[in-house]
Amino acid sequence: KQEVTQIPAALSVPEGENLVLNCSFTDSAIYNLQWFRQDPGKGLTSLLLIQSSQREQTSGRLNASLDKSSGRSTLYIAASQPGDSATYLCAVRNNFNKFYFGSGTKLNVKP
Amino acid sequence: SAVISQKPSRDICQRGTSLTIQCQVDSQVTMMFWYRQQPGQSLTLIATANQGSEATYESGFVIDKFPISRPNLTFSTLTVSNMSPEDSSIYLCSALRSNEQFFGPGTRLTVL
Repeated sequence: KQEVTQIPAALSVPEGENLVLNCSFTDSAIYNLQWFRQDPGKGLTSLLLIQSSQREQTSGRLNASLDKSSGRSTLYIAASQPGDSATYLCAVRNNFNKFYFGSGTKLNVKP
Repeated sequence: SAVISQKPSRDICQRGTSLTIQCQVDSQVTMMFWYRQQPGQSLTLIATANQGSEATYESGFVIDKFPISRPNLTFSTLTVSNMSPEDSSIYLCSALRSNEQFFGPGTRLTVL
């Protein structure tokens, strides 16, 4: 069974810092990987989707990479802002339309 | 993207009762899902809601406890039956569009 791990569980940084969130998965036979943001008490907002054939995706200050063979993805956030404070989740989709979520990284960006 | 709404946004229920949660997508989608997120934890898939047929449940979830309907390609309901305090969670529906998964705002359920 696919297992998804996110490290660190929590991260606190000063505003303006660049940061990297990590996501690892045990089974490299994935269909795609998606990064989400979740604000307290809210649903999930899709940030980036990387298909298994892709290496990276970018949206604004966010860049996500995928190394399928090593079972890793990273989410890079440039020039962090207090508004980036949230929990970030990665989710892996396999070829049978099953989704596996990591436990998330709780990010706090201090003004 | 897809716009997904859920009703109710929150509810407080008594033990032994049932609650039905509605999920509406702004346009047709092939796949819809129901998740549970317990306090401080990540998401667990309950079932895939199949249009016109019975839902596909994940291990640990059964139809008698979580009956699901999907009468068309934009709407689904999840019922939490015979509730106990252990069912207190956030329940989220999601839909798949162009390989990307989108989520509703969630229903926060508290069972007393």
